[in-house]
Amino acid sequence: NAGVTQTPKFRILKIGQSMTLQCAQDMNHNYMYWYRQDPGMGLKLIYYSVGAGITDKGEVPNGYNVSRSTTEDFPLRLELAAPSQTSVYFCASRTSGLQGTQYFGPGTRLLVL
Amino acid sequence: TQLLEQSPQFLSIQEGENLTVYCNSSSVFSSLQWYRQEPGEGPVLLVTVVTGGEVKKLKRLTFQFGDARKDSSLHITAAQPGDTGLYLCAGAPGGGSNYKLTFGKGTLLTVNP
Repeated sequence: NAGVTQTPKFRILKIGQSMTLQCAQDMNHNYMYWYRQDPGMGLKLIYYSVGAGITDKGEVPNGYNVSRSTTEDFPLRLELAAPSQTSVYFCASRTSGLQGTQYFGPGTRLLVL
Repeated sequence: TQLLEQSPQFLSIQEGENLTVYCNSSSVFSSLQWYRQEPGEGPVLLVTVVTGGEVKKLKRLTFQFGDARKDSSLHITAAQPGDTGLYLCAGAPGGGSNYKLTFGKGTLLTVNP
């Protein structure tokens, strides 16, 4: 199994540009998540999904959108990039059960100039 | 909003020393997880503690969940350079929302040879 994969690994955007961060998992997990990690700030939940067709906002959803058309894929869309969105973005999927394990992808480093 | 405070934020020690990092909250969690994150990678789960007072050992790492399930500690014995990384604690709120974790800001550990 490849686990959780993310593309691209690194991207530079200009203010106002749009892009989609791709995330895929091959473990058949229903739960998937998008986090952002800023220096010294831990992980902040952007959006999450409990299954195909179901998504919900996390702690910091403004400026982002998601979709979940399949169990495997959970893309994150930035519509109008702003410098405040400069961060490292992690996608994760989770096993079922009360104490499920979250598996993280390698991250996408985004720089907005 | 449930918050997790981790201390210390930074820790630099010599190989062979012992250390303890802490994860504290005013809220009760149904379970607490510890992750380790190495530079350029996503977090990887180390352990999940569920019962108040529970102690789990993973080789030289000892994890404890507080009796009231509001705090946790990670103790490393005879630290090695390979233990270097960002240690994150994450709490599950319980009820129907166990799939949504709250992350602390992390403790950045450097073990010098």
